[in-house]
Amino acid sequence: EAQVTQNPRYLITVTGKKLTVTCSQNMNHEYMSWYRQDPGLGLRQIYYSMNVEVTDKGDVPEGYKVSRKEKRNFPLILESPSPNQTSLYFCASSRPRLAPDTQYFGPGTRLTVL
Amino acid sequence: GENVEQHPSTLSVQEGDSAVIKCTYSDSASNYFPWYKQELGKRPQLIIDIRSNVGEKKDQRIAVTLNKTAKHFSLHITETQPEDSAVYFCAAMLQGGSEKLVFGKGTKLTVNP
Repeated sequence: EAQVTQNPRYLITVTGKKLTVTCSQNMNHEYMSWYRQDPGLGLRQIYYSMNVEVTDKGDVPEGYKVSRKEKRNFPLILESPSPNQTSLYFCASSRPRLAPDTQYFGPGTRLTVL
Repeated sequence: GENVEQHPSTLSVQEGDSAVIKCTYSDSASNYFPWYKQELGKRPQLIIDIRSNVGEKKDQRIAVTLNKTAKHFSLHITETQPEDSAVYFCAAMLQGGSEKLVFGKGTKLTVNP
């Protein structure tokens, strides 16, 4: 089954404790992206990657890191989480550039930073 | 960079009526405009999209129109049903360029039986 998976789905942590949210897709998609969703602000892109070893900042990259060592995985790293990073996070993937496509979203990760 | 404005933020209609959601974008180079539906507690899912070389696209009760000159695009839902109740997001992207997908802030649509 074609899918995007995220882990964990729910996470409560404390300020400053490093964490990683994993994202994996099994559709051989080149493009992957991370978004955060906050009430009244919609979906905002954090980072995206157009291929292995290629990453770019989205609109709200501060406080986040990503890596793309393999095509299928695109982890989101919070080195020192802060309460303003409490949010719902979505990973998404899509086919190569210039091709008709849609972004497939993962199920979401609800993060609370105390 | 690209900025997408979406209106209205909330919309309430009676079952069977039509619903229209409008978005404007700032970057005239953007060439891909998807619409997503997000039901409560679920992930966004694409419902329709349009590219800049097309002015209108329909899929059953859903249609999207694009006016490149005015830099706005709209979602039209006809014969609304209670299951259409959700939050709808528009977005804009420059495919073949920055590849950044910028979303509007969303419209909460409520269809009253």
